[in-house]
Amino acid sequence: DAKTTQPPSMDCAEGRAANLPCNHSTISGNEYVYWYRQIHSQGPQYIIHGLKNNETNEMASLIITEDRKSSTLILPHATLRDTAVYYCIAPRDSNYQLIWGAGTKLIIKP
Amino acid sequence: GAGVSQSPSNKVTEKGKDVELRCDPISGHTALYWYRQRLGQGLEFLIYFQGNSAPDKSGLPSDRFSAERTGESVSTLTIQRTQQEDSAVYLCASSLKPRGTQYFGPGTRLLVL
Repeated sequence: DAKTTQPPSMDCAEGRAANLPCNHSTISGNEYVYWYRQIHSQGPQYIIHGLKNNETNEMASLIITEDRKSSTLILPHATLRDTAVYYCIAPRDSNYQLIWGAGTKLIIKP
Repeated sequence: GAGVSQSPSNKVTEKGKDVELRCDPISGHTALYWYRQRLGQGLEFLIYFQGNSAPDKSGLPSDRFSAERTGESVSTLTIQRTQQEDSAVYLCASSLKPRGTQYFGPGTRLLVL
């Protein structure tokens, strides 16, 4: 299993870039890294995923280190609505489960 | 298009009663997942359905929990003889393919008194 480790909480000023780190040192070669977020009292929302290359979409950018042991989710211009718990996860290799840790609680401050 | 829907949105029940939770996945999604989320905690995998394959039930916490899915459509999660520790939000997700991006419903908030 690719277990992920994230800091429990982070603060970021509104309008600045929020950089959320994730360690996944046991990830195997064909396991993707997925990022989701969960705004209070809602179901998780998909943000982005990647395998080896850096990825960017309308919500965020994902930077994956060359050895794939860690990644960083970047919200380029954080807004108050980005306050949420952010989860970095990697599927199990064999039976399609996604292992969810406690995530990082990101608080955007005005 | 329509997302994943779940019903009821909230359920209050008495200890010992049975409850049934429903999930309507996105049309065409072959994979369906059930998770449990206790207050202030992360998601706990319960069960996974993929097409017509036998479901992966490895996350079910006890034999009081069961789930069914009809083909690639609706799924129901049943909790028999509910206990207070079953109180949680039960989330359903579907994905187009195995290990694909999961799309979540709003969840069912279960409170066992």
